[in-house]
Amino acid sequence: DGGITQSPKYLFRKEGQNVTLSCEQNLNHDAMYWYRQDPGQGLRLIYYSQIVNDFQKGDIAEGYSVSREKKESFPLTVTSAQKNPTAFYLCASSIQTLSNYGYTFGSGTRLTVV
Amino acid sequence: EDQVTQSPEALRLQEGESSSLNCSYTVSGLRGLFWYRQDPGKGPEFLFTLYSAGEEKEKERLKATLTKKESFLHITAPKPEDSATYLCAVQVNTGNQFYFGTGTSLTVIP
Repeated sequence: DGGITQSPKYLFRKEGQNVTLSCEQNLNHDAMYWYRQDPGQGLRLIYYSQIVNDFQKGDIAEGYSVSREKKESFPLTVTSAQKNPTAFYLCASSIQTLSNYGYTFGSGTRLTVV
Repeated sequence: EDQVTQSPEALRLQEGESSSLNCSYTVSGLRGLFWYRQDPGKGPEFLFTLYSAGEEKEKERLKATLTKKESFLHITAPKPEDSATYLCAVQVNTGNQFYFGTGTSLTVIP
């Protein structure tokens, strides 16, 4: 079955540590996205990529970095510069042109600072 | 500025008590409006896409409608398994990004 796989489901980060969240899709979608979800707030866009080896900053990119070396993979690194990283992180993908289904989402990674 | 607002923030219904969730939007040009369902600790799951005013879509107990300024998600005779957060998102003509509302948390009590 096609879909998006995020791992790990739960992740704990120590102060000053970088951590990487994995996102893999087998839907053959060109575009991939990372969103952050906090209680009482809408999903906020961190980074997105519309093609391999290219990506753009979203609304809250500071303290995060991404890479897009393969069409299927779009990992997100939460760096030590991100001062408030505790949140639920969602990866999504879509085809380039308008899709009747919008985004397909992964099951999320919950990151907690310890 | 493009904006999406959902109301109410939370809704508690008795099983069988029908109601509606609202999604109002202010965007430069609507390309599509999307409804998603999100269960706790999971990613959002696609429900409907609406493209133009007057359009309606149905799925089991859910019916989505669209006007030029807002969308409604009507829930008819809800069951406890309908309990979830319902998210609205708008795609604008100028790009491939979506603007999400903050969601409505629905609880259906047996």
